Amino acid sequence: RKEVEQDPGPFNVPEGATVAFNCTYSNSASQSFFWYRQDCRKEPKLLMSVYSSGNEDGRFTAQLNRASQYISLLIRDSKLSDSATYLCVVTHGYTGRRALTFGSGTRLQVQP
Amino acid sequence: GAGVSQSPSNKVTEKGKDVELRCDPISGHTALYWYRQSLGQGLEFLIYFQGNSAPDKSGLPSDRFSAERTGGSVSTLTIQRTQQEDSAVYLCASSLAGVTEPQHFGDGTRLSIL
Repeated sequence: RKEVEQDPGPFNVPEGATVAFNCTYSNSASQSFFWYRQDCRKEPKLLMSVYSSGNEDGRFTAQLNRASQYISLLIRDSKLSDSATYLCVVTHGYTGRRALTFGSGTRLQVQP
Repeated sequence: GAGVSQSPSNKVTEKGKDVELRCDPISGHTALYWYRQSLGQGLEFLIYFQGNSAPDKSGLPSDRFSAERTGGSVSTLTIQRTQQEDSAVYLCASSLAGVTEPQHFGDGTRLSIL
């Protein structure tokens, strides 16, 4: 099983739709969680951190489910500009082993 | 403000040559990361520096790859005897205080091996 898994998509949704992605992780000792977005041929940019109690930033809501070992990202009222690849990141702390893992990303295409 | 700076932006070289890629992190950031990304693929973690601790080299794909970080700031990723499969975008990121902090990425170096 991969350390971090994401559905590659693509998720094709119409403008205004609500869409959700999950990211599962295998290491129960994982410490911190983030969502990044990456536009085609650009560098990843931080979208939001994921807090234990869940957090919201405008149209974006992130949640953490430690019991089932996944994080989620919900996008409401999708815009054309939301089209991108969404990467989850899971960190494990610095123990001399792999400190963090990026998921391979979920591609979102918002259509007019 | 100044972000993460990488140079060169593009590098084309012949198979078998050595290349050096440079990363200048955000001032004050103690953690620095190198990744590579092949076309249409996800990010592949290479190496992570945190302060004066021994770097996490668990992602380096072979002994042809090495990286150093001098004075806790600028980092250089060196690839010796380049192969065609080394062609990729090499991304550098820095964060304020380690993996629990968000990372800020540079624009990357696009490396092409002929």
